[in-house]
Amino acid sequence: AQSVTQPDIHITVSEGASLELRCNYSYGATPYLFWYVQSPGQGLQLLLKYFSGDTLVQGIKGFEAEFKRSQSSFNLRKPSVHWSDAAEYFCAVGVLGTASKLTFGTGTRLQVTL
Amino acid sequence: EAGVTQSPTHLIKTRGQQATLRCSPISGHTSVYWYQQALGLGLQFLLWYDEGEERNRGNFPPRFSGRQFPNYSSELNVNALELEDSALYLCASSPNRNGRNTEAFFGQGTRLTVV
Repeated sequence: AQSVTQPDIHITVSEGASLELRCNYSYGATPYLFWYVQSPGQGLQLLLKYFSGDTLVQGIKGFEAEFKRSQSSFNLRKPSVHWSDAAEYFCAVGVLGTASKLTFGTGTRLQVTL
Repeated sequence: EAGVTQSPTHLIKTRGQQATLRCSPISGHTSVYWYQQALGLGLQFLLWYDEGEERNRGNFPPRFSGRQFPNYSSELNVNALELEDSALYLCASSPNRNGRNTEAFFGQGTRLTVV
């Protein structure tokens, strides 16, 4: 069975600083990988996804993520964080044929200081 | 284009009662997924419906059930409510392209509180 680990429960960054949120997955084959963002009391918004091809994927709101098979990682990055980026971020994995049946990490809560 | 819509937004029930949550997928999406987001437990996969059939269910007791209608909308029913069923229930939909599902789009959720 697949699993996802987000080792950082809570991260605080200053506005304008760069951001990297870590995600490691466990799955026997190439997974489908996703990053979602959730504002308090809201649903999940898809930031970006990796299915195949270029291992550096661009998403919305200036986010990008890089798939590294050798490290089983799919870290999320943003070069300059905005105060509105404060939210909870979830990494998720789907498998072949059922890409939308997701296994989520426990999430990383991002706080942005002004 | 309308996104995934869920109703009601909030629901308060008494322990032992039944709750019914509803979800309308994005137009053209045939798959509907239900997830539970309970405090301290994270996001857990509950149920997956596609083309009216239950395709898979997560590790939840049988009192969690649902169905998908011909228009692809879905209901989640929770019987014999327990206090620990209090959670945000998220519905997601995805298209089914050549037998493969793609990314899921989530609704805003239904906040179920059991008292």
